[in-house]
Amino acid sequence: AQSVTQLDSQVPVFEEAPVELRCNYSSSVSVYLFWYVQYPNQGLQLLLKYLSGSTLVKGINGFEAEFNKSQTSFHLRKPSVHISDTAEYFCAVSGMDSNYQLIWGAGTKLIIKP
Amino acid sequence: GAGVSQSPSNKVTEKGKDVELRCDPISGHTALYWYRQSLGQGLEFLIYFQGNSAPDKSGLPSDRFSAERTGGSVSTLTIQRTQQEDSAVYLCASSWSYEQYFGPGTRLTVT
Repeated sequence: AQSVTQLDSQVPVFEEAPVELRCNYSSSVSVYLFWYVQYPNQGLQLLLKYLSGSTLVKGINGFEAEFNKSQTSFHLRKPSVHISDTAEYFCAVSGMDSNYQLIWGAGTKLIIKP
Repeated sequence: GAGVSQSPSNKVTEKGKDVELRCDPISGHTALYWYRQSLGQGLEFLIYFQGNSAPDKSGLPSDRFSAERTGGSVSTLTIQRTQQEDSAVYLCASSWSYEQYFGPGTRLTVT
């Protein structure tokens, strides 16, 4: 079984500042990792994913994440945020034996301060 | 191409009434998921359909909740005898692999 922890429920950051949203997971098997974004009053959309290969994954809107197997982390980063990045960000994990089901973190609200 | 659609977008119902929420997945996607998102909360898994296999109902919170998927396509989530704690946004997603594509959700308000 897998579990996902997003330690920060909210992250306030000034516009144009860098941001890191933290995600840690636990699993007894190898995993696939995902970040989804939910803009206000919208459904979720995929931001980026790690399936295999390079541990540094680039996604849409300038976001990237790094898979760190030893620390069981998949933190999301952006070097310079914009007002339009205001959203809730969800980390999710799937065990390679799990028939595609995702286990979700509780989400982190990114609040951009002007 | 068309994404996942859900109807209605908003539903207000009286406590004790039954409601049906509909999800039209992306054509060709074999998997379909229902989630519930309460105000300010994360995603709560409800039920998962994969092809012709028996659905995984492990997330349904009570026997008032049921779902079916007809012909491997459209799905309906039914909530019987609605309670105020059922108020939430109900999200549907479909997939053919690990990436899930979400609909815009149905906001259910039980008064």
